[in-house]
Amino acid sequence: AQTVTQSQPEMSVQEAETVTLSCTYDTSESDYYLFWYKQPPSRQMILVIRQEAYKQQNATENRFSVNFQKAAKSFSLKISDSQLGDAAMYFCAYSTWEEGSEKLVFGKGTKLTVNP
Amino acid sequence: GAVVSQHPSWVICKSGTSVKIECRSLDFQATTMFWYRQFPKQSLMLMATSNEGSKATYEQGVEKDKFLINHASLTLSTLTVTSAHPEDSSFYICSARDRSTENQPQHFGDGTRLSIL
Repeated sequence: AQTVTQSQPEMSVQEAETVTLSCTYDTSESDYYLFWYKQPPSRQMILVIRQEAYKQQNATENRFSVNFQKAAKSFSLKISDSQLGDAAMYFCAYSTWEEGSEKLVFGKGTKLTVNP
Repeated sequence: GAVVSQHPSWVICKSGTSVKIECRSLDFQATTMFWYRQFPKQSLMLMATSNEGSKATYEQGVEKDKFLINHASLTLSTLTVTSAHPEDSSFYICSARDRSTENQPQHFGDGTRLSIL
């Protein structure tokens, strides 16, 4: 079974600084998607960034970028110029298809605190 | 953008009652909807996959008779927690996939906070 591991339960960063959140996953498949979701206190799940496994180029979305290392099964999220609004739980997720149905597996999350 | 509406956002009820949660795709059709459960300070766990017009597919360990899922139309799936007990108290989140845009991410609802007294 696929697993997603986020080894950092909590992280903190100073406003305007850069922080990197770690994520590793385990799979025997070659084609899949990886995601980072943000969950603020409102508990809404907000998609931050997505990476397709067959694409070697790292995905970027404004201040958010990933370092995707397929061989190492690593998918870290870098947040540049951190803002107070970035404070939230961040979940790494893996998506694949099993028996004709999609499955989205989440890591346990990293709580990010942004200090002013 | 694609919007998924979940209702109610918060419900409190007595032990033994049944509670229905609705998940609607407002501006797209969803052949597949997903139901997740999130306990406090934990991650989201997939409970079941709901397919329009057919039976839901439940994950291992999720009781089918406890968590009834109906996906009667392309824009609505419901989760009914039957004979709810305090241990069923949790945050339930649905998501939906736009059938016209394959390979796009699931769109999440805002969740339902269920508290059983």
